Amino acid sequence: EVQLVESGGGLVQPGGSLRLSCEASGFTFTIYWMSWVRQAPGRGLEWLANINQDGSEKYYVDSMKGRFSISRDNAKNSLYLEMNSLRVEDTAVYYCARGRSWVDSWGQGTLVTVSS
Amino acid sequence: DIQLTQSPSFLSASVGDRVSITCRASQAISSYLAWYQQKLGKAPKLLIYAASTLQSGVSSRFSGSGSGTEFTLTISSLQPGDFATYYCQQLNTYPLTFGPGTKVDIK
Repeated sequence: EVQLVESGGGLVQPGGSLRLSCEASGFTFTIYWMSWVRQAPGRGLEWLANINQDGSEKYYVDSMKGRFSISRDNAKNSLYLEMNSLRVEDTAVYYCARGRSWVDSWGQGTLVTVSS
Repeated sequence: DIQLTQSPSFLSASVGDRVSITCRASQAISSYLAWYQQKLGKAPKLLIYAASTLQSGVSSRFSGSGSGTEFTLTISSLQPGDFATYYCQQLNTYPLTFGPGTKVDIK
């Protein structure tokens, strides 16, 4: 069974940083592109970034470029999202997801709250 | 960026009804479109990809059609578990974008 388990969310002050992790199991992590998608409270879905199998290709939504960084460690079957200069509007549930374009498996999400 | 609009934004229907949701793209995206279902407090679930390909394990009551700029998700006979919010996503051009969602509620 495919499992994606996010961690690392929590309360952070504006301007702060946070690193989200996603541990994958139940499938061969090394052959899949992986993605991050977020959802602000009561709002729709927003695609953030994806990364190819060996980490050599990365794509981001323009508004995140320079602030967020996606990476992976295939030895640990893990995906990461480094988030810097966090803003109140970054408050959301962040989902780890399997796939390059359409996403066929999702984690349960981790809540990031940016507030003073 | 490619913008997606969905109509209606809210839909009230009864069990057994046939319902359709439309997704329109601001520019042609061929068949690079997916549909997701999201229930309250849960992660989204992939229903359809490549505009009309049913994801494995998804009920055949769900179907997708369209290409270019206009797409439709149809639920042939609404069941109690289908009341949820539905999102389309374009897969043609980065950044990948989602539609604003259509909430399907019980009449």
